[in-house]
Amino acid sequence: AQSVTQLDSHVSVSEGTPVLLRCNYSSSYSPSLFWYVQHPNKGLQLLLKYTSAATLVKGINGFEAEFKKSETSFHLTKPSAHMSDAAEYFCVVSFSNTGNQFYFGTGTSLTVIP
Amino acid sequence: EPEVTQTPSHQVTQMGQEVILRCVPISNHLYFYWYRQILGQKVEFLVSFYNNEISEKSEIFDDQFSVERPDGSNFTLKIRSTKLEDSAMYFCASGYNSPLHFGNGTRLTVT
Repeated sequence: AQSVTQLDSHVSVSEGTPVLLRCNYSSSYSPSLFWYVQHPNKGLQLLLKYTSAATLVKGINGFEAEFKKSETSFHLTKPSAHMSDAAEYFCVVSFSNTGNQFYFGTGTSLTVIP
Repeated sequence: EPEVTQTPSHQVTQMGQEVILRCVPISNHLYFYWYRQILGQKVEFLVSFYNNEISEKSEIFDDQFSVERPDGSNFTLKIRSTKLEDSAMYFCASGYNSPLHFGNGTRLTVT
């Protein structure tokens, strides 16, 4: 069965330190991978996407993610956390055999400590 | 940049009443979706819609739910007889060869 897993339900970092949010998928088909951010009482905003071009993808607000096929991973990183990064982050995947069906991870809540 | 718009932003209804949640997808998109997020829980897929028919639905999307694209621009989700457990944030999304673009959601409160 195809799936996506976010390994951490909560991540807490100090302001100015690096952020790592982990995402793994399971499928034998080629993935398209997305990270969305949800601030409190807001909708989901696309941070970045991977759809088969460069494996290192840069997104908005200084975030980036690297697609590693061998590890079936698409971890989200940022070199230096800002207070405004505190939010819920969702890894979302679609696969080449079910192109318009999107699989959501359970989300990672990021807390940034001043 | 075009965006998905949802109305109302907040809807309060009594148990057993019908509600219609409205969405205007991005105009050149072909795929439309409804998701919901119960407070503090994960985002759950409800239904996808393509070419004027449901292409996929989850087990949540039972006979109480229906979707329509009544006029070529709006995309609606109807809950026929609301239950307390339908209280959630409902997100509309649209897409065309990915990614999904989401609206800001309608918070439905069933009392």
